[in-house]
Amino acid sequence: GESVGLHLPTLSVQEGDNSIINCAYSNSASDYFIWYKQESGKGPQFIIDIRSNMDKRQGQRVTVLLNKTVKHLSLQIAATQPGDSAVYFCAENLRGGADGLTFGKGTHLIIQP
Amino acid sequence: DGGITQSPKYLFRKEGQNVTLSCEQNLNHDAMYWYRQDPGQGLRLIYYSQIVNDFQKGDIAEGYSVSREKKESFPLTVTSAQKNPTAFYLCASSPGTTSGELFFGEGSRLTVL
Repeated sequence: GESVGLHLPTLSVQEGDNSIINCAYSNSASDYFIWYKQESGKGPQFIIDIRSNMDKRQGQRVTVLLNKTVKHLSLQIAATQPGDSAVYFCAENLRGGADGLTFGKGTHLIIQP
Repeated sequence: DGGITQSPKYLFRKEGQNVTLSCEQNLNHDAMYWYRQDPGQGLRLIYYSQIVNDFQKGDIAEGYSVSREKKESFPLTVTSAQKNPTAFYLCASSPGTTSGELFFGEGSRLTVL
């Protein structure tokens, strides 16, 4: 089965509110985590990443939190905008090497006006 | 501009035919990857290559083949042995062989008629 999974397949938020997308991972040896945004029919775009020696990292309007104790990753988007509507994937470097990332199934973020 | 170019964007194939999807990058990245994405699913690794003239199977390599004759090119052939080839195919690259961000192309949608 998937080692990276998301708690909710769809998240609906009001425009202007904050969004929180959650992700669970199962491999405590994973040392790198990343969030991607994918718009319909397009390739995934990098949002933010974090390494296992950190528990928080901030970008522009986004924050990633890593809780290694419970193997949980979250993406917080501040002041959600219509352009944030997309599917969001978390991914981990499962095997610690150059064989790419292992992706969860994704959460569809829907912005309500 | 540097990036990853996939072609064609849309491709239709009859059952029993092989098709080749192109992936070219001008980022001077060593590693390249092919992922498959089905509706409502995450990305699954088909093949990856860390260096020219070398490649490894991913999680779902059956029915696919690749080559890496040049650093900038990593074509994927979907053979007639692939039982469910209709999917969205994503090519990615990364600078090195340690864990890190993958840069994605815009994808190729293959439909088998």
